[in-house]
Parts: sequence; structure tokens; C-alpha cells
Amino acid sequence: GENVEQHPSTLSVQEGDSAVIKCTYSDSASNYFPWYKQELGKGPQLIIDIRSNVGEKKDQRIAVTLNKTAKHFSLHITETQPEDSAVYFCAAVDYTGTASKLTFGTGTRLQVTL
Amino acid sequence: EAGVAQSPRYKIIEKRQSVAFWCNPISGHATLYWYQQILGQGPKLLIQFQNNGVVDDSQLPKDRFSAERLKGVDSTLKIQPAKLEDSAVYLCASSLGGLNTEAFFGQGTRLTVV
Repeated sequence: GENVEQHPSTLSVQEGDSAVIKCTYSDSASNYFPWYKQELGKGPQLIIDIRSNVGEKKDQRIAVTLNKTAKHFSLHITETQPEDSAVYFCAAVDYTGTASKLTFGTGTRLQVTL
Repeated sequence: EAGVAQSPRYKIIEKRQSVAFWCNPISGHATLYWYQQILGQGPKLLIQFQNNGVVDDSQLPKDRFSAERLKGVDSTLKIQPAKLEDSAVYLCASSLGGLNTEAFFGQGTRLTVV
């Protein structure tokens, strides 16, 4: 089955700096890569995603890049703000033709300090 | 659009007792997932339904966990008997299914087994 590794497990940045979180996946059949933000006491919320036919996607201050050959994908947050503090999860999705299987990484706790 | 609803939000039980969680997915979503999230870890898939059929339950501890999705809408997850290591947040998510793989999560049920 799919295995998703995520680094770093914790990340502390100063407000205004950039944050980068990296993930690798094992199953070359995975074709959809969402990123989720989880705030304390809440369920994960999708913030950005990328499909396998795209190398980069950007939405305001967040961007995601995908290298299918290396099986790497990354989340980039620029101009970080205190409200970006949360746990971020990457995930890899394999659509089998019947259903989509969503496998999560281990999470990165991002702390944005003033 | 209403989100994924879960109840209860919190539950404390003694080991060897039984407990049940309920999930109401977003209307029209064919795929429903139950995830277990242990503190400090990423969500782990327990069971996935496509309408009222099970797609994947390979990581469900079937000697104590059971789940059903009658009529392809609401779902219940049951643990009987509970163990200390079952303490976790149980997340329900749903998606339209097929190639539309964006999953929406509920707030989760925090279970504490004492």
C-alpha cells in the first residue's frame, strides 16, 4: 500500500518568513495530492491540492509543487502570519477506478512567532 | 452547504465498555471514510464505504471494531470492547467519489478510554 513520509515534524518561523513542508510517497499510481490544515479541536481542512498532470499550483500565499519522477511534493507558505499556526498534513490519493484511497503523512506542526 | 456532522464530540468510557459514533456526510457524497487519529499522528484509515458497500477495511481491527452505512447515507462506528489504546480522535470524512476526490472532514469525536 501507499506510504507517505512528511518532514519536518515541527517547524517554527518568524512572522513574514516562508515555510516549506516536504513529503514523499511510495506508490507511483497515486495521482492526487491534497494538503490539509488542522487547527486544535477541529477536523482537517483542505487548503490546496495538485493533480499528477501539473507540476505547480499557487493560491495567494500558498503553493504546492510536485515532482512525479522523484515522488516528492512540497507545500510552500510565504509571508507567514500567526493564523497559519496549525498542523499540516500532506496526503496521496490513488484512484483505483472503484474508489479513491487517501493516505496521510505524519503531520507538521507549524508555529509562527511574532 | 452543511458540512460533515459527527456526534458525540467527546466520549469517556472505561476499558471493556462499548461505544458508538455517528456520522452524517455531506448530502450526495457517495464515499464515506472513518479515520483514527492518535495524538500527534496523522489520520489512519479504518474503513471506507462507497455508497453502502465496503471498499477498504484492511486496517479495521475487526475483532472489536465494526461499522455500517445503512442506505448509503449515515454511518456508525462501534467499538466493543474498548481498550486503552483506542483513545484517539475518530474522524469521519466524505467525498463525491469517482475522480472527484476532495474529502471533507467532520470535527471528530474525541474518545478517552480509562
